[in-house]
Amino acid sequence: DAGITQSPRYKITETGRQVTLMCHQTWSHSYMFWYRQDLGHGLRLIYYSAAADITDKGEVPDGYVVSRSKTENFPLTLESATRSQTSVYFCASSDGGRITEAFFGQGTRLTVV
Amino acid sequence: GQQVMQIPQYQHVQEGEDFTTYCNSSTTLSNIQWYKQRPGGHPVFLIQLVKSGEVKKQKRLTFQFGEAKKNSSLHITATQTTDVGTYFCAGFSNSGYALNFGKGTSLLVTP
Repeated sequence: DAGITQSPRYKITETGRQVTLMCHQTWSHSYMFWYRQDLGHGLRLIYYSAAADITDKGEVPDGYVVSRSKTENFPLTLESATRSQTSVYFCASSDGGRITEAFFGQGTRLTVV
Repeated sequence: GQQVMQIPQYQHVQEGEDFTTYCNSSTTLSNIQWYKQRPGGHPVFLIQLVKSGEVKKQKRLTFQFGEAKKNSSLHITATQTTDVGTYFCAGFSNSGYALNFGKGTSLLVTP
């Protein structure tokens, strides 16, 4: 069982370039989330989605765009990457939102040079 | 919005010593979840607490939810090197289904 997978695992990109991080889950979970993890800041919510075509901003959405045309996919796009977006990005999913656990992908380590 | 604060940020113990991390919320929580992240890994769910004053145990780990549902703690008895990692608490945001994480407590255990 694949569960939740992120790609790529590692990415180096240049400032100003557009980059898309992929997230795919095989459980048909309704809810999906994007977090970024930086030293000293823990996990901060970027965007989240309750279902296909429903997305909402989290704590740090600026500079990011998401879409959810299919339940199983939740790509995160950095429209014009900046050095401050160098981080580890985690995608997560859950099936019930309030009472159930979130399952995290392996993460994507993004470096913007 | 809701903020979840966690202390301490770091803890270094000798193997066999006990460890406790504390989590406090600015608002009343419907429930609280705890996750563990091993170095280089991803967060993994440990437990969820729902009831006021609830206490749950998992082997050497004891989780408590405060009476007012605004604070929680994780206590590890007799730490082992396998306990190394970062422990996060998380409460649901105002949306009701997105988790707000504390900054985590990084535990280092030396043999």
